[in-house]
Amino acid sequence: QVTLKESGPVLVKPTETLTLTCGVSGFSLSNTAMGVSWIRQPPGKALEWLAHIFSNDEKSYSTSLKSRLTISKDTSKNQVVLTVTNMGPVDTATYSCAVIWFGKFHFDSWGQGTLVTVSS
Amino acid sequence: QSALTQPASVSGSPGQSITISCTGTSSDIGTYNLVSWYQQHPGKAPKLIIFGGSQRPSGVSTRFSGSKSGNTASLTISGLQAEDEADYYCCSYAGPTTYWVFGGGTKLTVL
Repeated sequence: QVTLKESGPVLVKPTETLTLTCGVSGFSLSNTAMGVSWIRQPPGKALEWLAHIFSNDEKSYSTSLKSRLTISKDTSKNQVVLTVTNMGPVDTATYSCAVIWFGKFHFDSWGQGTLVTVSS
Repeated sequence: QSALTQPASVSGSPGQSITISCTGTSSDIGTYNLVSWYQQHPGKAPKLIIFGGSQRPSGVSTRFSGSKSGNTASLTISGLQAEDEADYYCCSYAGPTTYWVFGGGTKLTVL
């Protein structure tokens, strides 16, 4: 069974860069056919898909946020990292990571998420 | 504004059935039968309840069912129970450019 846990700062200032980590346990990112997405949810609002990294290291990004996002993985630490540049108040949200198994197109398991607030 | 359109709220009494619609376009739901549905209780992570339009993951109640017609997917919950009160989100794969799109979410109230 795969479990995911997000970590990162709870508060960032406007214009700063946010770096979030998704720790994966139960499976190895280096030899398991799985991909990991980042999804966010502003307080009281809907889910929004942000980025995905496939098992072959191919990356995909939300069209509207592509210029500000970078997703990567560190297989030695079994982690997936998301960076979001130029943070603003509208980026205040709970950021979650989720697993998609190879050949599938749904988010099978989710982390609990981490709330990031953007404020000076 | 979300890419997929869901009603903001639905309600039903215990034992009744309700249906939540999720309307997309020919670029997502209409082309790909890859709609998934997620249940989210307050303060909790979303839980997968339907994938591939109509398939249930192991352990999900048979009271949950999914279907699709044209550009609209639907989630039906039969025999409503108090524990079903939650937010429900649809999601569709939208091809190798857009990838995944979510609905705006529907709040289900069990009266």
